[in-house]
Amino acid sequence: ILNVEQSPQSLHVQEGDSTNFTCSFPSSNFYALHWYRWETAKSPEALFVMTLNGDEKKKGRISATLNTKEGYSYLYIKGSQPEDSATYLCAPLDDYKLSFGAGTTVTVRA
Amino acid sequence: SAVISQKPSRDICQRGTSLTIQCQVDSQVTMMFWYRQQPGQSLTLIATANQGSEATYESGFVIDKFPISRPNLTFSTLTVSNMSPEDSSIYLCSAQSHLGGGTDTQYFGPGTRLTVL
Repeated sequence: ILNVEQSPQSLHVQEGDSTNFTCSFPSSNFYALHWYRWETAKSPEALFVMTLNGDEKKKGRISATLNTKEGYSYLYIKGSQPEDSATYLCAPLDDYKLSFGAGTTVTVRA
Repeated sequence: SAVISQKPSRDICQRGTSLTIQCQVDSQVTMMFWYRQQPGQSLTLIATANQGSEATYESGFVIDKFPISRPNLTFSTLTVSNMSPEDSSIYLCSAQSHLGGGTDTQYFGPGTRLTVL
């Protein structure tokens, strides 16, 4: 099991504002990093799978960057909307298994 | 992609009893997993459900407490045995199409919210 840290634990954003948060993971033996969005009472939804240092992925208003040498990834939400309210989880691959961080819970206020 | 359903979606149980959670995938998958999220904690892998053989358990989890079945490539069950209040968690099933594919997406069910009194 890898030591994965996500910060902040929670944040509140005004509708229309942009925000970002961090996932830190061990940089040694890196293979892949997964990002998920988890809304209450729903299935965690896969956002990105990132593998290459310097990789940047985008899905609508959400994007993510990856630094495998220093062991961190940022997830950005541009122009936050109430439907972006969720817990965002990152999970580096450990052998064939995912090790999840505790998540960043985003609440977007209208 | 894969669509995963779980039953029950939630349950309230008495300590000392057992609950079996079912996980159904809409397509054949190579890998199936069971996770737990205790209150305030991260998602923790319980075991990998192997088709036709015994599940592979993570450190801290044992077969007597969490027996798992996987009779085919689309279905698995997790039993939480002899429950105590500490077993109150959300239990999630997930599936992945390829063996050890780090870039393959792992799809999740909606979870089973278990409360043990």
